[in-house]
Amino acid sequence: DGGITQSPKYLFRKEGQNVTLSCEQNLNHDAMYWYRQDPGQGLRLIYYSQIVNDFQKGDIAEGYSVSREKKESFPLTVTSAQKNPTAFYLCASTPGQGSTEAFFGQGTRLTVV
Amino acid sequence: SQELEQSPQSLIVQEGKNLTINCTSSKTLYGLYWYKQKYGEGLIFLMMLQKGGEEKSHEKITAKLDEKKQQSSLHITASQPSHAGIYLCGADEDNFNKFYFGSGTKLNVKP
Repeated sequence: DGGITQSPKYLFRKEGQNVTLSCEQNLNHDAMYWYRQDPGQGLRLIYYSQIVNDFQKGDIAEGYSVSREKKESFPLTVTSAQKNPTAFYLCASTPGQGSTEAFFGQGTRLTVV
Repeated sequence: SQELEQSPQSLIVQEGKNLTINCTSSKTLYGLYWYKQKYGEGLIFLMMLQKGGEEKSHEKITAKLDEKKQQSSLHITASQPSHAGIYLCGADEDNFNKFYFGSGTKLNVKP
């Protein structure tokens, strides 16, 4: 079955360490997105990529980095520069042509201790 | 950038009651999407609206987009505990698939 997979579901890291969240899709979608969600709040766009080897900053890109070397994969690195990294992170993808709904992964809950 | 405001932020209703959630944009919407989220999980797509005045229904949930394409409402008829969750409206900007979301409405349905 086609879908979008995030791993791991739960991640614990020590303060000051970089950590990479995985996002893989087998939907053959061109566009991929990373969102951050804090308790009781909506989704805020971190980075998005509309095509391989290209990506753009969203509204809260500081302290994060991404890469898009393959169409299926869009990993997100939370760096030590991110002041409040503890959050729920969601990855999504769309075909990239026209207006269609975004497909979401099940999310990764990152806790920095 | 696009801004989407949702209201109310939270809602508690008795089972069987109707309810409405609103989503207002600062810009004309190219596409408007409604999603539902259970706590700590991914988003489940509900409906997409593109045309001014468009209305769609699925089971007991109806979504509408106004003629100016700046406001949408989600209406649930005869609510059930299974409707509980967070409802999010999202929109894409200028057909470039840059998705934005509202802050969400947390719905609780009391049996």
